[in-house]
Amino acid sequence: GQQLNQSPQSMFIQEGEDVSMNCTSSSIFNTWLWYKQDPGEGPVLLIALYKAGELTSNGRLTAQFGITRKDSFLNISASIPSDVGIYFCAGQRLKSGNTPLVFGKGTRLSVIA
Amino acid sequence: GAGVSQTPSNKVTEKGKYVELRCDPISGHTALYWYRQSLGQGPEFLIYFQGTGAADDSGLPNDRFFAVRPEGSVSTLKIQRTERGDSAVYLCASSLTGRTQNPNTEAFFGQGTRLTVV
Repeated sequence: GQQLNQSPQSMFIQEGEDVSMNCTSSSIFNTWLWYKQDPGEGPVLLIALYKAGELTSNGRLTAQFGITRKDSFLNISASIPSDVGIYFCAGQRLKSGNTPLVFGKGTRLSVIA
Repeated sequence: GAGVSQTPSNKVTEKGKYVELRCDPISGHTALYWYRQSLGQGPEFLIYFQGTGAADDSGLPNDRFFAVRPEGSVSTLKIQRTERGDSAVYLCASSLTGRTQNPNTEAFFGQGTRLTVV
């Protein structure tokens, strides 16, 4: 099935560093979402973006909905060990009802203390 | 319960057998989704229920896969004649929204069922 292009695939960073990851698509989405998944768990929503150009923060996390509606990025500032996990972007097209999420392949983040 | 509950958490079955995976959504959530996540991949859509009916089953890979939600709450994903390629984590998610455009469409995921076909 269709998946979004997410990069980087993995990252190894020092505790305290900032992190940036992004997601692109060949088609337009009306909503962009960023999830974090820990081992053995389901994805947990971090940030949801509903309008092109929107910049939203959630604590140390900041995400933006690209103007073209074909991309989004997620930044994590001052990383800490509990930031370790897999981060997924997801896009959604909203019509008259719900439409399923299309996910990227994930960015695996490792934080070295 | 407070969150989406999936049972069993792990299932090992022999090739060719039939399996059922259960999802208990958050109470009051009308929308329910099944996704499949293979190792190293993001979740891939299988089927979406709005209430009791399957609003979109375009992600089901073939006719061995079937899902029901008879009373608009609990859903069961059924896989017949399992194959080794069916091994994956099967995720269920539910959300509150109904049929109208609504930005409040946050989907809450369960912890998944890890299916292993040997």
